[in-house]
Parts: sequence; C-alpha cells; structure tokens
Amino acid sequence: SAVISQKPSRDICQRGTSLTIQCQVDSQVTMMFWYRQQPGQSLTLIATANQGSEATYESGFVIDKFPISRPNLTFSTLTVSNMSPEDSSIYLCSVEDGANSYEQYFGPGTRLTVT
Amino acid sequence: EDKVVQSPLSLVVHEGDTVTLNCSYEVTNFRSLLWYKQEKKAPTFLFMLTSSGIEKKSGRLSSILDKKELFSILNITATQTGDSAVYLCAVGGAQKLVFGQGTRLTINP
Repeated sequence: SAVISQKPSRDICQRGTSLTIQCQVDSQVTMMFWYRQQPGQSLTLIATANQGSEATYESGFVIDKFPISRPNLTFSTLTVSNMSPEDSSIYLCSVEDGANSYEQYFGPGTRLTVT
Repeated sequence: EDKVVQSPLSLVVHEGDTVTLNCSYEVTNFRSLLWYKQEKKAPTFLFMLTSSGIEKKSGRLSSILDKKELFSILNITATQTGDSAVYLCAVGGAQKLVFGQGTRLTINP
C-alpha cells in the first residue's frame, strides 16, 4: 500500500489565521481525499482533490474556507482559512490504492487546535 | 442520504473475550465496505469486503458482509489489551466513503 506523510503533525493556531496542511504520497495516485474528524466524532469527507482541476467539495464545505491544491499525482495541500475554535479537529488525507482500487489508506493526520 | 450505523457505540470486555462489532448501511451504488482501527489519529486499514458471504481473516480478526441484509460484522477473538481502539466501518458509494460513528472497544486486563 502507498506510504503517506502529512505535515505538520499538530499545530496550535490563533483564530483568524490560516494553516496549510501538506500530504505527500510515495507513489502516483489518482484519487486523493481530505477528511475532518471533530472531537468525539467520526470522519467526514471535506473534498476530493483532483489533479489538474478544481477539488470536488462535499455539502457543507466550500473552497473559500478549505482551498485545496493538487499540483501533481503525489502531493496535495489543504488550507484551513480564517480559523475559529470550531475548526479544531484532526485533518486526514487519504488515497485510493491503485492496485486494489477501492481500498483507501490514510495519512498520519494533523491535529489542529484553534485558540 | 447514505448512512452507516455501527453498534454498539462502546464496549468494555476482559482480555481473552470474543467481541462482535456490527455495521449496517444504506448506500446507493455500493462498491465496498471497509473496516479500520483507529488508535490515535490515523485509521489503519483492516479489511475490505465487496462480496457477500466470503469471510476475510487476519489473525484473530475476521469480517463478513451480507449484501442482502446490508450489514457486516467484525469479530475479534481472544482479545488483547492492544485491541483497545475505535473501530470504524466505512462504506464506499460513488467514489466516496461514508463512515459510521465508530465502536470504542476497551479491553481490560
């Protein structure tokens, strides 16, 4: 399976600021996804990061708040903009395994705390 | 709307017990059902099931899918304290995973 890294691992940010999270995969993958996990909750899909085109956002998530880049088949970034304490969550990127196309593997996650 | 429901939400057992975790779903364009173990941040992949009645097994863990009744179970035999985690069920629809709430499993020595 693909090896996925995320940076930063954790951060504490002040409200009103923005944070960019990076996701790097050790192989080329078609599908990359960004999830949010709020405290005590399950995972919610934010968007699908498409290479060469705009990300596809799920209901309740907008590009102005969560801009995503996907410059190539091994890298993506998610920015959490104009943060508020409600954005405190774990943010996870995942990829679909090309060989077993429906299996999704997750990066180590970024724990964000907004004060 | 696609929905995945796990039960129980929380389970506490003693080391050595066998546990069964449940996952039911309503998803359009079903592709797969996946089980994950989440201990800290990142969910770790356990199984993917696509066909009914075929058991997937890895050590003390096993899982099976019933596509007619729309549910899956995850069994853990001879539980160990290291099995303590949140177990997540996710169902793949149209290129998207929908997650259940998770089952928090605690194994006491």
